[in-house]
Amino acid sequence: AQSVTQPDIHITVSEGASLELRCNYSYGATPYLFWYVQSPGQGLQLLLKYFSGDTLVQGIKGFEAEFKRSQSSFNLRKPSVHWSDAAEYFCAVGGGAQKLVFGQGTRLTINP
Amino acid sequence: DAGVIQSPRHEVTEMGQEVTLRCKPISGHDYLFWYRQTMMRGLELLIYFNNNVPIDDSGMPEDRFSAKMPNASFSTLKIQPSEPRDSAVYFCASSKGQGRGYGYTFGSGTRLTVV
Repeated sequence: AQSVTQPDIHITVSEGASLELRCNYSYGATPYLFWYVQSPGQGLQLLLKYFSGDTLVQGIKGFEAEFKRSQSSFNLRKPSVHWSDAAEYFCAVGGGAQKLVFGQGTRLTINP
Repeated sequence: DAGVIQSPRHEVTEMGQEVTLRCKPISGHDYLFWYRQTMMRGLELLIYFNNNVPIDDSGMPEDRFSAKMPNASFSTLKIQPSEPRDSAVYFCASSKGQGRGYGYTFGSGTRLTVV
């Protein structure tokens, strides 16, 4: 069965610093991978997705993620965070006829 | 497109009352999902529909919960009777295909408080 693990429940970084959020997945074939962001009081918004091709994918708001099959990972990165990036981030995996499975989320706090 | 529209945004109700949450998916999307989000359990899939037909309701917590999709542009999630432990944010999401390659588009959610 497919599964997603986000090892970090909460991360704090300073404004302007770089960011990497970890995501590990379990899936028997080539997965479809997604990152979503949820701002307080809002629904989840799609940041980026991967399903084939270039393993480095670019998303909205300056985010990128890299698919590493050998490590079963799809980590989210941003070179310089802004205070507005404070939110909860969810990784999700799906594939074929399978519905998406979401991780537990990582809460990001930005220090001024 | 206005996106996935949920109503109401907030609902406060007394224990034992019936609660109905509403969702309008994006036009052309053939899958609709209902999720519940709590601090303790995170994001839980309750039920999903394909072309208005319920496909998997294994996440529905108990018989007090029911969901319908009478047409392609409307779905409801009903709780009867409601209990304090049902307090959560309920999200509706829709997609073309079962999310593969497209992902889901979420609504802004309904925050339900049962007192």
